[in-house]
Amino acid sequence: AQTVTQSQPEMSVQEAETVTLSCTYDTSENNYYLFWYKQPPSRQMILVIRQEAYKQQNATENRFSVNFQKAAKSFSLKISDSQLGDTAMYFCAFMVYNQGGKLIFGQGTELSVKP
Amino acid sequence: NAGVMQNPRHLVRRRGQEARLRCSPMKGHSHVYWYRQLPEEGLKFMVYLQKENIIDESGMPKERFSAEFPKEGPSILRIQQVVRGDSAAYFCASSRVDYVTDTQYFGPGTRLTVL
Repeated sequence: AQTVTQSQPEMSVQEAETVTLSCTYDTSENNYYLFWYKQPPSRQMILVIRQEAYKQQNATENRFSVNFQKAAKSFSLKISDSQLGDTAMYFCAFMVYNQGGKLIFGQGTELSVKP
Repeated sequence: NAGVMQNPRHLVRRRGQEARLRCSPMKGHSHVYWYRQLPEEGLKFMVYLQKENIIDESGMPKERFSAEFPKEGPSILRIQQVVRGDSAAYFCASSRVDYVTDTQYFGPGTRLTVL
């Protein structure tokens, strides 16, 4: 079975500091994509960052970057210079290349940014 | 460019009634995905549709649930004879091309409450 595990149900960080959210996944496939989505209190799902498994270079989007370790099946999200607006539930997800567009999500990590 | 639209945002039904959830994809998007989020859980894939075709319905419950994406108009997720266990947030996502080359963009969700 293909699974995504987020081992940190809740985390908190002080404004302007850096925080890392963990994610591991399990699949026997070699071609897949990895994602981090953010769900603020509005419950809207917002794409934060995307990584293709065949790319060795870690994806970066402004203050958000990932540490992709393919052999370890690990895909952590680092948020630098945390802002109050980063407070949200963060979901890690992956999609196998040839399995019909199905995103498989982890259970989520609730991040609180404190002033 | 308007995002993915879902309506209604909130829907209350009594046990045994029917629920119809609508999703209008982003302009130019012809691929639609439905996910369900139970309380305190991550999103679970239900179905993937292209215009007039169901591509993957492996996540759909075998009974009472159906989905369509007609040539004209929004995608509809239909739940017949709702039960309390159907209470959840239902999210629709769309992509411009197929899942390989484009990211899924999510709507704001419909929160279904079954009394």
